[in-house]
Amino acid sequence: GENVEQHPSTLSVQEGDSAVIKCTYSDSASNYFPWYKQELGKRPQLIIDIRSNVGEKKDQRIAVTLNKTAKHFSLHITETQPEDSAVYFCAARRDDKIIFGKGTRLHILP
Amino acid sequence: NAGVTQTPKFRVLKTGQSMTLLCAQDMNHEYMYWYRQDPGMGLRLIHYSVGEGTTAKGEVPDGYNVSRLKKQNFLLGLESAAPSQTSVYFCASTRLAKNNEQFFGPGTRLTVL
Repeated sequence: GENVEQHPSTLSVQEGDSAVIKCTYSDSASNYFPWYKQELGKRPQLIIDIRSNVGEKKDQRIAVTLNKTAKHFSLHITETQPEDSAVYFCAARRDDKIIFGKGTRLHILP
Repeated sequence: NAGVTQTPKFRVLKTGQSMTLLCAQDMNHEYMYWYRQDPGMGLRLIHYSVGEGTTAKGEVPDGYNVSRLKKQNFLLGLESAAPSQTSVYFCASTRLAKNNEQFFGPGTRLTVL
């Protein structure tokens, strides 16, 4: 089955700097890659997603890149702000299953 | 619309007790999922359903059973709870079309003593 690896597990960046979180997946048939943000005590919420026929997608300060050949995808957050502090999860979908990575705890330092 | 709701929000069980977690969605979604979330382990898929009357195993199905008798409800059962099942359980749903957003419920915090 699908396996999703996510790195790093913890990331601290200065406010205003960029943050990058990377994920790899094992099943080449996976075709949809969402990213979720989870604030403390809250439910995960989708922040951006990308389909396998696209290499990059951007939404304001957030972007996702996908390299199908290497089977990895990354989340980029620019101009980080205090409200970006949260746990971020990547995921990969193959058929009806969505498998998540273990998460990255992002700390934005003042 | 309430979206995805979960009942109960919190529960404490003793080892060996049974219970059922209820997930309900009012968005007419075909797909529904149950995940458990443990520190450092992310969200692990327990069981899922692609439609009324159908269920399938996820990554960690042992010790759990599910039922989808109605399209809007997805039940997760623990027949004989164990301390290893202490976790936060999230339900999610999505539309039938592929590659659509999963909407999560607020979670159920379960402690098994």
